[in-house]
Amino acid sequence: AQSVTQLGSHVSVSEGALVLLRCNYSSSVPPYLFWYVQYPNQGLQLLLKYTSAATLVKGINGFEAEFKKSETSFHLTKPSAHMSDAAEYFCAVSDPLAGKSTFGDGTTLTVKP
Amino acid sequence: NAGVTQTPKFQVLKTGQSMTLQCAQDMNHNSMYWYRQDPGMGLRLIYYSASEGTTDKGEVPNGYNVSRLNKREFSLRLESAAPSQTSVYFCASSESGRRTEAFFGQGTRLTVV
Repeated sequence: AQSVTQLGSHVSVSEGALVLLRCNYSSSVPPYLFWYVQYPNQGLQLLLKYTSAATLVKGINGFEAEFKKSETSFHLTKPSAHMSDAAEYFCAVSDPLAGKSTFGDGTTLTVKP
Repeated sequence: NAGVTQTPKFQVLKTGQSMTLQCAQDMNHNSMYWYRQDPGMGLRLIYYSASEGTTDKGEVPNGYNVSRLNKREFSLRLESAAPSQTSVYFCASSESGRRTEAFFGQGTRLTVV
């Protein structure tokens, strides 16, 4: 069975600082991995996805993530945080048979002025 | 382009009452999903439908039923609501296959008193 673990339920950074949100996965087959963002009182929207084409994936709003097979990780980064990045972030892995995804517990990002 | 539309957005039920959450997508997606979101627990899959005419249980199906009415619509029914079903419910859809991301509705905030 596929699973993801997001390390740190809350991350706080200053505006302009590096954002690093951690995700480790477990998968019996080469994984397809996703990062989603959820703004308050909204649904989730896709930030970026890894589907084996390139290990460094660029997404919207300046975010990127690197797939590291040896570390079973797919950490999300952004060089410089903006106030508008404050949200909850979810890592997800896709089930190889059914196409449905399993989500991590989420990481709430707070950006301090 | 509406995407995924959920109704209602808010609902308060008394214990034992029943209700149906409606979901419709206009992206011609084959797969549809119902998740619940609880603080600190991420998104948990209740039921999903890989294609029109099929439904399968997810991680937390007890107390719920679903109907894939047609390719566009996927409803979730609570037959006898319980306080433990107080949650935010999200409907999502995706194209078939594990490479594809899910598109989410805005959510239904349900309180059972």
